[in-house]
Amino acid sequence: SQQGEEDPQALSIQEGENATMNCSYKTSINNLQWYRQNSGRGLVHLILIRSNEREKHSGRLRVTLDTSKKSSSLLITASRAADTASYFCATALMNTGFQKLVFGTGTRLLVSP
Amino acid sequence: DADVTQTPRNRITKTGKRIMLECSQTKGHDRMYWYRQDPGLGLRLIYYSFDVKDINKGEISDGYSVSRQAQAKFSLSLESAIPNQTALYFCATRGGRGTGELFFGEGSRLTVL
Repeated sequence: SQQGEEDPQALSIQEGENATMNCSYKTSINNLQWYRQNSGRGLVHLILIRSNEREKHSGRLRVTLDTSKKSSSLLITASRAADTASYFCATALMNTGFQKLVFGTGTRLLVSP
Repeated sequence: DADVTQTPRNRITKTGKRIMLECSQTKGHDRMYWYRQDPGLGLRLIYYSFDVKDINKGEISDGYSVSRQAQAKFSLSLESAIPNQTALYFCATRGGRGTGELFFGEGSRLTVL
């Protein structure tokens, strides 16, 4: 089964609104990463948060991590149509020396003008 | 030029044929990965390699084999393709101590008839 599960599976919002996506995972991690994928293209790394961090910002992105609940959230503020994409969380598994990065099933975000 | 290059980008083949997907990188990274993406299932790890002499199975290695010909090249083979191997395949690299971000190629879309 997947290590990470994103919620919701799909999200539709208007430009200017905020988009929040959640990720839950099962085992101890070294870090959690978020990636973006435009339709049919390669994934692009957005942000990495380490297990000893609780919050991290990068431009319009805000990521939180709660290791006690084994969950993370990605907030995109002031969304733009260009943010339309699928977003995946990925976790580095402790039982592989953190060498394996396991992906969730993704959230499809649609931002309408 | 892209840092991680996959060839071919698209391939249609028939059941039972041998197929090779190639990946080359100019990032100088030791770690290379092959993932498979199916709709609704996210990305699943097929094989990964830490260096030329270190190859490891991922979650779904059955029916696949790999070859790490050089630090910069990592090939995925399907010895006898079957229709349920129809998917989008991604190569990725990772540098540093192996706990950081992945850099993805643009993907190879394989259709097995």
